[in-house]
Amino acid sequence: QKEVEQNSGPLSVPEGAIASLNCTYSDRGSQSFFWYRQYSGKSPELIMFIYSNGDKEDGRFTAQLNKASQYVSLLIRDSQPSDSATYLCALPIQGGSEKLVFGKGTKLTVNP
Amino acid sequence: DAGVTQSPTHLIKTRGQQVTLRCSPKSGHDTVSWYQQALGQGPQFIFQYYEEEERQRGNFPDRFSGHQFPNYSSELNVNALLLGDSALYLCASSLRYAGGSTDTQYFGPGTRLTVL
Repeated sequence: QKEVEQNSGPLSVPEGAIASLNCTYSDRGSQSFFWYRQYSGKSPELIMFIYSNGDKEDGRFTAQLNKASQYVSLLIRDSQPSDSATYLCALPIQGGSEKLVFGKGTKLTVNP
Repeated sequence: DAGVTQSPTHLIKTRGQQVTLRCSPKSGHDTVSWYQQALGQGPQFIFQYYEEEERQRGNFPDRFSGHQFPNYSSELNVNALLLGDSALYLCASSLRYAGGSTDTQYFGPGTRLTVL
């Protein structure tokens, strides 16, 4: 089993809808999780991190973590065309964020 | 507050050549990690430098080497380039804590390397 798995998509949602992005991981000991957004041709940009089970909200973004199910998700409310990008889930392999292992990313398109 | 910077932006080389990529970390950061991102894939960890030493290494051959300077900037060197080395090379910087873990990694804009 790969360490981090994401549905590569593409995921297409209409403007104003909720976009739901999902990630599963294999290491039960993982403690922290990161969501990066990457626009085409650009570098990854950190948008959320979560350490504890449950939900963490930041503006239109909500990260959800379920350690028992080894599942982390990102919800984007009121999706905008500017949210169209690839979303990468990542987790550190050794304790802190020393070595991040990334999923392949989910490409999101928000249609006006 | 200057973010992570990388140079050059783009680079075209031919097979067998050698290349050097450069990275300056975000102000206040002391740890630099390098990643390779092939088209359509997530970034893959190459190695990490702290206190001018390689601290961790991913599954990359010895053709990939690096260096960190006293001002925390870093270089990535790739020898004997292969077509498969064509990718976006990302530098990420972070601050290392006393216990050895590091803070969140922030990425630079990347260097797009094309090997012909």
